[in-house]
Amino acid sequence: DIVMTQSPDSLAVSLGERATINCRSNQSVLYSANNKNYLAWFQHKPGQPPKLLLYWASTRESGVPDRFSGSGSGADFTLTINSLQAEDVAVYYCQQYYKSWTFGQGTKVEIK
Amino acid sequence: DVQLVESGGGLVQPGGSLRLSCAASGFTFSDYYIHWVRQVPGKGLLWVARISDDGIVTTYADSVRGRFTVSRDRAKNTAYLQMTSLRAEDTATYYCVRLAAGGNYDYWGQGAQVTVSP
Repeated sequence: DIVMTQSPDSLAVSLGERATINCRSNQSVLYSANNKNYLAWFQHKPGQPPKLLLYWASTRESGVPDRFSGSGSGADFTLTINSLQAEDVAVYYCQQYYKSWTFGQGTKVEIK
Repeated sequence: DVQLVESGGGLVQPGGSLRLSCAASGFTFSDYYIHWVRQVPGKGLLWVARISDDGIVTTYADSVRGRFTVSRDRAKNTAYLQMTSLRAEDTATYYCVRLAAGGNYDYWGQGAQVTVSP
């Protein structure tokens, strides 16, 4: 299995500031034939289903605010939330879909 | 709008069985693979099983293979997860998820709580 490891496990950010979450896989999730990284990011709020934010590592899902952005390639990825809003409090997961489907352990984002 | 609505969760004794349903609407059900993902309380997300768009191909996580069966009914636009020989460690919230064309998940159901306890 491809193991996904996120850091940090939790972080507290002031409103309007930037939150950065890292995700590392134990093998590359970049498919050379199409140069796409098989990496997605989800936001999970209590009592709600996870919500897709980004796929192909950096493609924003329709309707997702542009303060959410993704970067990275191969085995190292980053989710950045610019200008954190109160409604962004949630647990964020990265997921690889290169080989089967596995998730990171999650990063809890709170307001400082 | 795309919707996936799970039902059938509940409390069951160890060794018991339960069937979850996932009713789909707002899209052509037969065009999409459906996956099941679970979340143990306080833990992360784990892939459980999947079924192909035509219902022919099914795949399972090692932890549930031989005990869980995934199926779908095209006429009812519904997918099912039949769970047997349930164990305490199967206690979780179970989500059905639609697999997008690119292989990522796009839409999730609201989840069904399964508790396995004496």
